[in-house]
Amino acid sequence: GQQVMQIPQYQHVQEGEDFTTYCNSSTTLSNIQWYKQRPGGHPVFLIQLVKSGEVKKQKRLTFQFGEAKKNSSLHITATQTTDVGTYFCAGPKFSGGYNKLIFGAGTRLAVHP
Amino acid sequence: EAQVTQNPRYLITVTGKKLTVTCSQNMNHEYMSWYRQDPGLGLRQIYYSMNVEVTDKGDVPEGYKVSRKEKRNFPLILESPSPNQTSLYFCASSLGLASYNEQFFGPGTRLTVL
Repeated sequence: GQQVMQIPQYQHVQEGEDFTTYCNSSTTLSNIQWYKQRPGGHPVFLIQLVKSGEVKKQKRLTFQFGEAKKNSSLHITATQTTDVGTYFCAGPKFSGGYNKLIFGAGTRLAVHP
Repeated sequence: EAQVTQNPRYLITVTGKKLTVTCSQNMNHEYMSWYRQDPGLGLRQIYYSMNVEVTDKGDVPEGYKVSRKEKRNFPLILESPSPNQTSLYFCASSLGLASYNEQFFGPGTRLTVL
C-alpha cells in the first residue's frame, strides 16, 4: 500500500551544524505537510507544499517538494537547541472515497550545545 | 484561545475495562481525527470524522469506536482495552480535509493497559 518513508530515523548534531530530513513516497502526492513535535509535546503544523519543485523558507528552515512530487525535504541551517524534536512529513492517501493523511515515522533531531 | 483539549491526559487501566477518551475543539472545525503514536511508527490514524454523524475508519481502527454527535466533540471509545492498545493518543481537528488543511493537535493522552 501507499507509504511515506522518512530518513534518517534519528540524527544528532552539534549546535550550529546543518540538518536535513528526507521524505519519500511510493506514489505521487498532491501535496505534503510537515509537522514538528517537541519532546513531550504534540505535533505542530509547520508548512504545506503543493507545487512541483516548490521551495519555501521559514527563517532557518527550508522546505522542498520534488519535481516528481514523490519526495520532499526539510533543511535546517545552523541548528539551535530550540530545533530539538521530531519532524514528521505527511501526505494524502486516497482510500474509501476519502483523502486521509498518512505520516512518516519521523526524524528525531538531537542538538548538542 | 483556539485549542483542542483531551481528557484524561494520563490513564492506567486494566484489560477489558471500557474507557472513553474525550476530545473537544473550539474552532468550529468540521474534520476531526484520532491518531495513535508508537515508537518507530509515527502517527497512525485510527478514525476520522468529516462532520456530525459522519465517521470512517482510518488505518488502525480495530478495537476502537468513535462517535460525532456534536461538531465540537469526538470521543474515542475502547470497549475492551488490551495491552497492545497501550500508546500515546492524539486528537486533531482541521477546517476541512486533513490531507489539505493544517491540523491542530490536542495535548495527547498517554494510555497504559495492564
